[in-house]
Amino acid sequence: QVQLQESGPGLVKPSETLSLTCTVSGDSISNYYWNWIRQPAGKGLEWIGRIYTSGSTNYNPSLKSRVTMSVDTSKNQFSLKLSSVTAADAAVYYCAREEFWTHYFDSWGQGTLVTVSS
Amino acid sequence: SYVLTQPPSVSVAPRQTARITCGGNNIGRKSVHWYQQKPGQAPVLVVSDDSDRPSGIPERFSGSNSGNTATLTISRVEAGDEADYYCQIWDSTSDHHYVFGTGTKVTVL
Repeated sequence: QVQLQESGPGLVKPSETLSLTCTVSGDSISNYYWNWIRQPAGKGLEWIGRIYTSGSTNYNPSLKSRVTMSVDTSKNQFSLKLSSVTAADAAVYYCAREEFWTHYFDSWGQGTLVTVSS
Repeated sequence: SYVLTQPPSVSVAPRQTARITCGGNNIGRKSVHWYQQKPGQAPVLVVSDDSDRPSGIPERFSGSNSGNTATLTISRVEAGDEADYYCQIWDSTSDHHYVFGTGTKVTVL
């Protein structure tokens, strides 16, 4: 059974870059889409973007200018970078798996809380 | 950008039926997926492609989609069904991306 685990700094300063990594275990990272989704405290889910193992990406139009995703198949990991963060970027960040062309998320990480503060 | 609208809350007595709607322009032409999220936990897929149930999801969870409204139905509601529920679609009309509904809090009375 696949497991996903987010990791990265829990505190980021305003205007800096948020960096998170998701490590996949129990299955190969290949031939799936890998997504990042966030949830501000007390609010709903917001899709950030996805990356295929080929490196192809799709990003939320509202975040596109600040988002970069990458994948490292040798480490079974994929990563998120969000630049120029503000308080509005504080949230629980989830990574999630999407089987090719299903357009839904069948496995999720437990989530990691990111706070934005100086 | 495509918008999915859900009622903020639905209350239901145990053993009754809860219906959670997800409204969107011609949503019946899209595949809708539903997630359950309990406090402090990650979302869990409960219905995919309008009405399919992933392995391990009780038959009490069912879905439908037509016109401008998709519906998640929970039959014979149990206390353990109390959670937030989100619908989700793939918006392929422009800048291919995913959209989540606003979320519905289901309270079991």
